Amino acid sequence: SQQGEEDPQALSIQEGENATMNCSYKTSINNLQWYRQNSGRGLVHLILIRSNEREKHSGRLRVTLDTSKKSSSLLITASRAADTASYFCATDTLMNRDDKIIFGKGTRLHILP
Amino acid sequence: DVKVTQSSRYLVKRTGEKVFLECVQDMDHENMFWYRQDPGLGLRLIYFSYDVKMKEKGDIPEGYSVSREKKERFSLILESASTNQTSMYLCASYPIAGTFTLYGYTFGSGTRLTVV
Repeated sequence: SQQGEEDPQALSIQEGENATMNCSYKTSINNLQWYRQNSGRGLVHLILIRSNEREKHSGRLRVTLDTSKKSSSLLITASRAADTASYFCATDTLMNRDDKIIFGKGTRLHILP
Repeated sequence: DVKVTQSSRYLVKRTGEKVFLECVQDMDHENMFWYRQDPGLGLRLIYFSYDVKMKEKGDIPEGYSVSREKKERFSLILESASTNQTSMYLCASYPIAGTFTLYGYTFGSGTRLTVV
């Protein structure tokens, strides 16, 4: 069953604007991670937020986590053409000694010049 | 930086062929994973391995097998390729059990396999 669900599926914004993507999940998690995938390439780890954290920043990225609503958001400020990519959330649920990682289906972000 | 290298970016194979997809990581990671990625379905876990000669089935292992003879190399094998195995295949790794929280996955660049 799908754990992380990103919203929206696709997003187009003007360069310089902020982009916000959301992720909802169903079960308790240890942490939630966001990845970026450029077209035809592998995924790149962007940022991780633990279940006991509410907000985290890394450069132009801001991630929030609301465990009561089982949701997270990724904000990219002052977007650039190079931010055009697909963005995935991945939830990590530790089961015994194993990390159970489930990816969402992604948000396709397109930055317009 | 950790590097995960997948030997081929693009592959075209015929139905019924035995196909080997190779993945090598250079930072002594114990845990290695194979995913396939399809439009509308996202990433789905095929097989993973926590150590040399160990393997575990993921969510969609049918039609696949794996080999981990050396710590740095994790091979995905399509025993008899079929057209429904046309997909993007992604290899990923992280150091040891329980460290995913610290490091997340490091992914390879992917292999786009077309079976004709």
